[in-house]
Amino acid sequence: GDQVEQSPSALSLHEGTGSALRCNFTTTMRAVQWFRKNSRGSLINLFYLASGTKENGRLKSAFDSKERYSTLHIRDAQLEDSGTYFCAAESSGSWQLIFGSGTQLTVMP
Amino acid sequence: DAGVTQTPRHEVAEKGQTIILKCEPVSGHNDLFWYRQTKIQGLELLSYFRSKSLMEDGGAFKDRFKAEMLNSSFSTLKIQPTEPKDSAVYLCASSFGRVDAETLYFGSGTRLTVL
Repeated sequence: GDQVEQSPSALSLHEGTGSALRCNFTTTMRAVQWFRKNSRGSLINLFYLASGTKENGRLKSAFDSKERYSTLHIRDAQLEDSGTYFCAAESSGSWQLIFGSGTQLTVMP
Repeated sequence: DAGVTQTPRHEVAEKGQTIILKCEPVSGHNDLFWYRQTKIQGLELLSYFRSKSLMEDGGAFKDRFKAEMLNSSFSTLKIQPTEPKDSAVYLCASSFGRVDAETLYFGSGTRLTVL
């Protein structure tokens, strides 16, 4: 079936640095959404993209349906950015959301 | 904040019992989804409502799972009878509507354990 491969599974950054998370899809997806899991266990929406890129503060996301991937870039990382980040893709022709396995981000002083 | 509210947070049931999970979507949202999350299958769609009308229900879950939305601000998911394989996290999500690209807002989930 449709798969979402998220990498890396864990990432450590020093404050002020940046990096990117990536999700690859085995098939063409209609849209992608990025979440961060908060302390209560809720999934907090970061971005929803059907195409192109979106930016919000120090976060930027891109989605290329044809090339079957999406990225989440974090710049100038802060301690409070630490947490688990998920991507989820919408399978074409279905309301099904397919989640990646998550990236545990740790930002160090 | 007025996000998606799910209750209870945890539920333990004996095999064969009936359990009811509850969800309050974000006020003003028209779409409501019920998902089940397991480590093996990931997120599986159970039901999808648009303006309280059932638009889609996961075929594999029809026999023992029933979701209802009696008003725009409240939905329930009934599992009857429960089986140990139903142990999972059940997530409710809502959005304004999927006419175009729309963001889903998720609740914290209900962790169900069936003994």
